[in-house]
Amino acid sequence: DTAVSQTPKYLVTQMGNDKSIKCEQNLGHDTMYWYKQDSKKFLKIMFSYNNKELIINETVPNRFSPKSPDKAHLNLHINSLELGDSAVYFCASSPFGEFSYEQYFGPGTRLTVT
Amino acid sequence: AQSVTQLDSQVPVFEEAPVELRCNYSSSVSVYLFWYVQYPNQGLQLLLKYLSGSTLVKGINGFEAEFNKSQTSFHLRKPSVHISDTAEYFCAVSPPRRGSNYKLTFGKGTLLTVNP
Repeated sequence: DTAVSQTPKYLVTQMGNDKSIKCEQNLGHDTMYWYKQDSKKFLKIMFSYNNKELIINETVPNRFSPKSPDKAHLNLHINSLELGDSAVYFCASSPFGEFSYEQYFGPGTRLTVT
Repeated sequence: AQSVTQLDSQVPVFEEAPVELRCNYSSSVSVYLFWYVQYPNQGLQLLLKYLSGSTLVKGINGFEAEFNKSQTSFHLRKPSVHISDTAEYFCAVSPPRRGSNYKLTFGKGTLLTVNP
């Protein structure tokens, strides 16, 4: 049973297109995140949601719009894709609470913009 | 603001040799520290964490790390590595309180390659 799943695993598309990446967690966690890992493996947080509410938005271009239909899902929609959007996008989740620190990561979605 | 510096981008070692992956952090407040591992084409998995208490923490797969506050370091060690330890290792830091804006800040990663 996959704890945090993402679809698709690979996504190849052309500049200017709009695409979505889906994330689902079956851990019962309240908080979900999107991270971007660039070609040099640097990981940076993009967004976090807690119970469907946007908590963190790390100066990400507004072409990126996260959507959380319920607390088990956090999707990422990207408009007008650019070459620089090519990266691996990771979804993660964690429980919410004073002593909950571990984040559980999905397998990643490798986005290639041509 | 917090930041993490992983001093080595790549560390090649032979199987059964000891290894140390270095991590230094910068923060104006106390922090929590983590090591994550990323195997090829996979997501990240938590190896170990330091929140408080003993400065030597043990994690999965025989790894351990030591928190040194005076040197602002959290180096990861393993006394004898296996081929299967080949992976990217990330050091991360977080603020000490798990509030609504809690987030991890990652270092740039260290690629550990274990050769036979």
